[in-house]
Amino acid sequence: KNQVEQSPQSLIILEGKNCTLQCNYTVSPFSNLRWYKQDTGRGPVSLTIMTFSENTKSNGRYTATLDADTKQSSLHITASQLSDSASYICVVRPNYGGSQGNLIFGKGTKLSVKP
Amino acid sequence: DAGITQSPRHKVTETGTPVTLRCHQTENHRYMYWYRQDPGHGLRLIHYSYGVKDTDKGEVSDGYSVSRSKTEDFLLTLESATSSQTSVYFCAINTGPINSPLHFGNGTRLTVT
Repeated sequence: KNQVEQSPQSLIILEGKNCTLQCNYTVSPFSNLRWYKQDTGRGPVSLTIMTFSENTKSNGRYTATLDADTKQSSLHITASQLSDSASYICVVRPNYGGSQGNLIFGKGTKLSVKP
Repeated sequence: DAGITQSPRHKVTETGTPVTLRCHQTENHRYMYWYRQDPGHGLRLIHYSYGVKDTDKGEVSDGYSVSRSKTEDFLLTLESATSSQTSVYFCAINTGPINSPLHFGNGTRLTVT
C-alpha cells in the first residue's frame, strides 16, 4: 500500500536552533516529493519539490534531501525563527495518472519554535 | 496568491441538514480539488474536477457530491450532514503543469452537531 510516514509527530525547539524533519514513503512508482508548510488556520503552501534524480534542494533556510534508494526525505531548517512554527507536510506523487488526484499526504510534523 | 476563496470560513450545522461549501478561483485553471483534514490523518481527497461538468471521486467521496457549472466555482455538498463529516475542508487548484504545486484556500471549518 502506498504510504507516507513522517516523524516526529511534533517537535519543540528554541529560536535560532536547527532541526530536521523526516519523511519515509513506500510509494511506487515514484514521480516527485514535495514539502508543504501549513500555518495554523491556513492552507498548505509549497516549500520544495524533488524528483527522482534530485537529492537536495534549498529554499532559503529550508533544505530538503531525497534518497530515492531508501525512499527517505528530510527537511532541514536552519537558524529557526518564530515564524517557522507550523505543520510541515510531506506529499508524494506516484508516477501514474494525469491529474494530482492521486497525491499521498503524510500526517505532518508540528513544529513549535519558542523564544 | 492564486486567488482562491472558500466560503463560508466557519459553519456549524445540525445532523441531517444539507450543507454546501463554495470554492471560487479568480483565474481559469482547469483542475480543482476538495480535501478534508482531520487530526491523525493526512489530507484526504474527496472529489476533484478537471473541467466544467467534469468531476471524479477521490478516496473519501461517500456522503459528498460536487458540481462545477462554471470554471471558477467548485461546490461541495453534504446532502445530509453527519457528525463524522465534522472537519476542515480545503479547496485546491493546479495553476500550471501537472507537477506544479497545488495552491490551497484557507479552509472551511465545519462542525456538525
